[in-house]
Amino acid sequence: GENVEQHPSTLSVQEGDSAVIKCTYSDSASNYFPWYKQELGKGPQLIIDIRSNVGEKKDQRIAVTLNKTAKHFSLHITETQPEDSAVYFCAPRQLTFGSGTQLTVLP
Amino acid sequence: DVKVTQSSRYLVKRTGEKVFLECVQDMDHENMFWYRQDPGLGLRLIYFSYDVKMKEKGDIPEGYSVSREKKERFSLILESASTNQTSMYLCASSLPGLELFFGSGTQLSVL
Repeated sequence: GENVEQHPSTLSVQEGDSAVIKCTYSDSASNYFPWYKQELGKGPQLIIDIRSNVGEKKDQRIAVTLNKTAKHFSLHITETQPEDSAVYFCAPRQLTFGSGTQLTVLP
Repeated sequence: DVKVTQSSRYLVKRTGEKVFLECVQDMDHENMFWYRQDPGLGLRLIYFSYDVKMKEKGDIPEGYSVSREKKERFSLILESASTNQTSMYLCASSLPGLELFFGSGTQLSVL
């Protein structure tokens, strides 16, 4: 099966700084690369995704970049705000999730 | 508005009991999934289904079974609950190859 590694496992940033989370996968057939955000007491929710024919996608303060050759994709959050504090998961394809990154934005 | 509904938010059961976790989606999605979430381990796939009456084992199917008699409903069954099955259980649905929509989860405690 797919081997997925996500780093870092925890990340603390000051409000207004940027945060980057990286996901490495093993299955070269993967062609859909989503990032999910999970707030306390809720199920994960999609925040951004990218398909393999695109290298970068941006939605306001959130962006995802993809390097298919190196088999990794990254989540970038700029101008972080306290409400960005949550656990973030990558999930190349649908069957395997990364182990999660606990992001804490310090006011 | 899309919706995945899990029947219970919290559940407490005894060791050896048969436990049913129900999940219903109202989006006419073909795919449905059951994950369990444990601290530090992320989400691990138990079973999934790509169609009615179809099921496939995920990474950790031992001790679980599933049922999908109707497109909108996917049930997870713990045949004989054990303490190591204490966990958060998350159901999700999707169209093929697209984003997952999750329920709010069921926190199961097995005593």
